[in-house]
Amino acid sequence: AQKITQTQPGMFVQEKEAVTLDCTYDTSDPSYGLFWYKQPSSGEMIFLIYQGSYDQQNATEGRYSLNFQKARKSANLVISASQLGDSAMYFCAIRLFNSGYSTLTFGKGTMLLVSP
Amino acid sequence: DGGITQSPKYLFRKEGQNVTLSCEQNLNHDAMYWYRQDPGQGLRLIYYSQIVNDFQKGDIAEGYSVSREKKESFPLTVTSAQKNPTAFYLCASSPGPERDTGELFFGEGSRLTVL
Repeated sequence: AQKITQTQPGMFVQEKEAVTLDCTYDTSDPSYGLFWYKQPSSGEMIFLIYQGSYDQQNATEGRYSLNFQKARKSANLVISASQLGDSAMYFCAIRLFNSGYSTLTFGKGTMLLVSP
Repeated sequence: DGGITQSPKYLFRKEGQNVTLSCEQNLNHDAMYWYRQDPGQGLRLIYYSQIVNDFQKGDIAEGYSVSREKKESFPLTVTSAQKNPTAFYLCASSPGPERDTGELFFGEGSRLTVL
């Protein structure tokens, strides 16, 4: 079965600095997708970025980029130029594409606090 | 605007009572999901449905029931058999098996507190 590990329960960063949130995954399936979601204190889950296992380049979406290291099975989220509004929980998730129909499996999340 | 609507946002119930959480979507998605979130935990899958009149158990289905009589609606009932029902419940949808990229679209959640 697939598994996601986020080893950082909490991270602190100063405004305008960059921060990396770690995510490692475990699967033997060669075809999968990796997702990052942001959950503000209000509770809704906001999709940030996606990386497919066969994608040659690291995904980027504005200030978000994904540092995908396939051999290490890691998919770290990099947030550049942090803003106060980035304070939230961040979840990494994986979905397998070759194992019949499957849904997302989430990690336990990392709480990011951005200080002025 | 298209989206997923969950209601109620907050719900208090006495122990032993069944409670039903509503989830409605107007995204024309085939697949819908229910996740449970506890403090300091990730999301855990309760039930999912790929198509109307069909649904599958997730990782923690015991004590919950669902129905999928309409494409737009996927209500979750938390029964008295659920030993620890106090949690934050999130409903999600995706286009469906033939059109899916894997991304889930989430509602704003329902917070259930059992007294």
